Amino acid sequence: QQQVKQSPQSLIVQKGGISIINCAYENTAFDYFPWYQQFPGKGPALLIAIRPDVSEKKEGRFTISFNKSAKQFSLHIMDSQPGDSATYFCAASPRNSGNTPLVFGKGTRLSVIA
Amino acid sequence: DSGVTQTPKHLITATGQRVTLRCSPRSGDLSVYWYQQSLDQGLQFLIQYYNGEERAKGNILERFSAQQFPDLHSELNLSSLELGDSALYFCASSVARGGYGYTFGSGTRLTVV
Repeated sequence: QQQVKQSPQSLIVQKGGISIINCAYENTAFDYFPWYQQFPGKGPALLIAIRPDVSEKKEGRFTISFNKSAKQFSLHIMDSQPGDSATYFCAASPRNSGNTPLVFGKGTRLSVIA
Repeated sequence: DSGVTQTPKHLITATGQRVTLRCSPRSGDLSVYWYQQSLDQGLQFLIQYYNGEERAKGNILERFSAQQFPDLHSELNLSSLELGDSALYFCASSVARGGYGYTFGSGTRLTVV
């Protein structure tokens, strides 16, 4: 119930290509879905987040697509750059719950090669 | 700088020992969360404090304990350390009690030898 399943575990993309990372959840109480970006030696940093009342959210080259009926959401990185090489984590929580922390996927290591 | 301060950055200790990891949350944040990150398990939630009180517990071993002090800084105590406890330990803070708006520190890398 509390799991968030993330795939793929690792991803290699050519510079300028599209990187796509997928996540799935089962707990229908989840209603806040953030993505975090982590560079080596640093803590995860919030990249972009979505709530299920919209199907897509875009911020610059980063887009979250959300499919409520399938209980899936994905991160698309357009025009991927070497500087995007990092580990990406999806997460979920019931946003209005006072005592439920974020549940994270296991992460995707993205390498963007020139 | 995220505003969340974790010390020390690195820690090497022997099996059976006890260590204390420290976290100072971002100014104004009342919630502190501790996560363990290992290579194959991703970010595992350990424990949450809100304004000095324990609010949620995750997969935290009985050998581990934590507390949040009146000045809102938090400490994670790990005792009877085992090789398998080697990991990155992250602290995050947020204003609210729920899972919204986390800010992570840079972590403490613990190596048990």
